[in-house]
Amino acid sequence: ETGVTQTPRHLVMGMTNKKSLKCEQHLGHNAMYWYKQSAKKPLELMFVYSLEERVENNSVPSRFSPECPNSSHLFLHLHTLQPEDSALYLCASSQNPGQSYEQYFGPGTRLTVT
Amino acid sequence: RKEVEQDPGPFNVPEGATVAFNCTYSNSASQSFFWYRQDCRKEPKLLMSVYSSGNEDGRFTAQLNRASQYISLLIRDSKLSDSATYLCVVKTDSWGKLQFGAGTQVVVTP
Repeated sequence: ETGVTQTPRHLVMGMTNKKSLKCEQHLGHNAMYWYKQSAKKPLELMFVYSLEERVENNSVPSRFSPECPNSSHLFLHLHTLQPEDSALYLCASSQNPGQSYEQYFGPGTRLTVT
Repeated sequence: RKEVEQDPGPFNVPEGATVAFNCTYSNSASQSFFWYRQDCRKEPKLLMSVYSSGNEDGRFTAQLNRASQYISLLIRDSKLSDSATYLCVVKTDSWGKLQFGAGTQVVVTP
């Protein structure tokens, strides 16, 4: 299934590094999301974009910086992360935010901050 | 208090048996309810929506109790392939913000 793809699948980075996560959806959806999933914790919504405009920023630290150049692509730029930021980062898309009950998730990027 | 609470399990279920588990939510204004399924080291996928009158999808039955603010999922005739973590999901606003529970792990054994 390749509806939502994410790269890289695994990433190890030091606290001083800068890296970016990429998400691409091939479903013609208008809304895209970033979630963080830590072990044994619920998915935490980080950002929501609707038609390339950010509509939700869920009190995420500024060391995470999203970018949505068009409705098919979403990036998460990372810099000066902390070890507690190690988690699975999931991208999702839906037809539009108002009908977001069915969100299609990508396989995630497993991030380790050393 | 967590927005969406689930028993983490694991629920160990013999193949062919029935298993049921609940989820409670704190926001009485919640609009819509869903069950997602997440296999080990995979992404979540929508299993089914939960309607006010209760609904079935094959071996899966979902119920909603708005008065007590909980939803339930029942799996009949469990298959080995039902082993997964089941995520309770609640939609709380018109923007479609979804609140996820931490999941209930189900392990179906031969």
